[in-house]
Formats: sequence, structure tokens, C-alpha cells
Amino acid sequence: SYVLTQPPSVSVAPGQTARITCGGNNIGSKSVHWYQQKPGQAPVPVVYDNSDRPSGIPERFSGSNSGNTATLTISRVDVGDEADYYCQVWDYSADFLYVFGTGSKVTVL
Amino acid sequence: QVQLVESGGGAVQPGKSLRLSCGASGFTLTHFAIHWVRQAPGKGLEWVGMISYDGSQTYYADSVKGRFTISRDTSKNTLYLQMSSLRPDDTAVYYCARDKGGDLFYFDYWGQGTLVTVSS
Repeated sequence: SYVLTQPPSVSVAPGQTARITCGGNNIGSKSVHWYQQKPGQAPVPVVYDNSDRPSGIPERFSGSNSGNTATLTISRVDVGDEADYYCQVWDYSADFLYVFGTGSKVTVL
Repeated sequence: QVQLVESGGGAVQPGKSLRLSCGASGFTLTHFAIHWVRQAPGKGLEWVGMISYDGSQTYYADSVKGRFTISRDTSKNTLYLQMSSLRPDDTAVYYCARDKGGDLFYFDYWGQGTLVTVSS
């Protein structure tokens, strides 16, 4: 089955830029979506279809996808961005299924 | 506004069954596919399965195939997850989530989740 690998943790100082990677075989050929999950809450989409933002998501959140790596970039990070982030794709190669990345904890120092 | 509300979670013994419900409001189930996603304590997200917008197709993760069944009652705008032969590793918060639709294949709205604990 298709595997998406993320770094377990990303640390960033307030006001700086956080970059969270999502690695997968030829992921650049797929549409990648990103979710933010704060403790005790349901996930919330922050980027869909590689680089689009749902309504209400700040422009500080952006995404890119090429080759074997997709990236979620959070600019001007503030303490409110501290959360777990998951990438997700739809894998149609072997079976009809949805795949989540392993998740990355963003810590604002 | 769009809302999804899960219910039916609780503690259950291994080998037993449990049915979760997901009530939808603000939209019609017949227009959107709906998924179940779970999250074991302290772990990541795992897709469980889905039912298509017209209810004609269901798909499941290998980990639950043959044990879990997704269905819906459009008259109640409610979705169900029937879980049988439960195992301790099925312990998780279970979320229902709406599929945005089109060719995007992502989850635009999520419920708040319901906790299922499988333990003797």
C-alpha cells in the first residue's frame, strides 16, 4: 500500500517559517491535502489539492508538491499554529483507499 | 451550516459489536460521499471506509474489511458504522467526515468524534 512519511516533529520560533514535508513515491503525480489537528479537536483542512486554501484559512498556509515530496509551509508562525499536521492523498494504484501521512507535531518555541 | 455529529461510542468487550451513528445537517447525504476515519489514542489518523454519494458503493481499509459495514438512512440524513468482531486495536476516536466531492478526494468537514474502547 502507499506510504506517506512525515517528520515526527518540527520546531520553529515565532515569526519564522515552518516547513513540513510529506514523502511518497511519485507523490508529485497525486493531489495532496493537509490537515491541522489541535489537541482534543477534530482535524481541519488547511490546504487542499496541493496548494489551494479552504475558505477562512490564512494566506500564511501554503503548499507545494513535486517529485517525491509535498510540502506544507506556514509563514510567520504564531503560537496558535502549534498542532499536529497530516498530509493525505487518494491512492488508486492498487485499491480504492485514502492514505494519511504519519503526522508532524509543530512546536512553536 | 454544515455539521456532522457522531454518537454511539463507548466501552465494549473484544469480539462484541457496536454501531456508531453520524448525523448530518446543513447538507444532504445524497449529494456527498461520507467517510469514517479513526485515531487510536496518541496515534495518527487512519481511514476506515466510505460510502458513495448515491449509496451504491462502499470501500473499506484492509484492517476492517469483513468486520465493519457502512450504511445510511437518507430519510434521517444519518450514516452508520456497524462494527463487529471488535478487537483491542480498534480502540480509537471515530470521526465521520464529508468528502468535498468532484475529483478532489479530501475531507472538508469533520464531526467531533466518538470514542470506542475495546477492552475486557
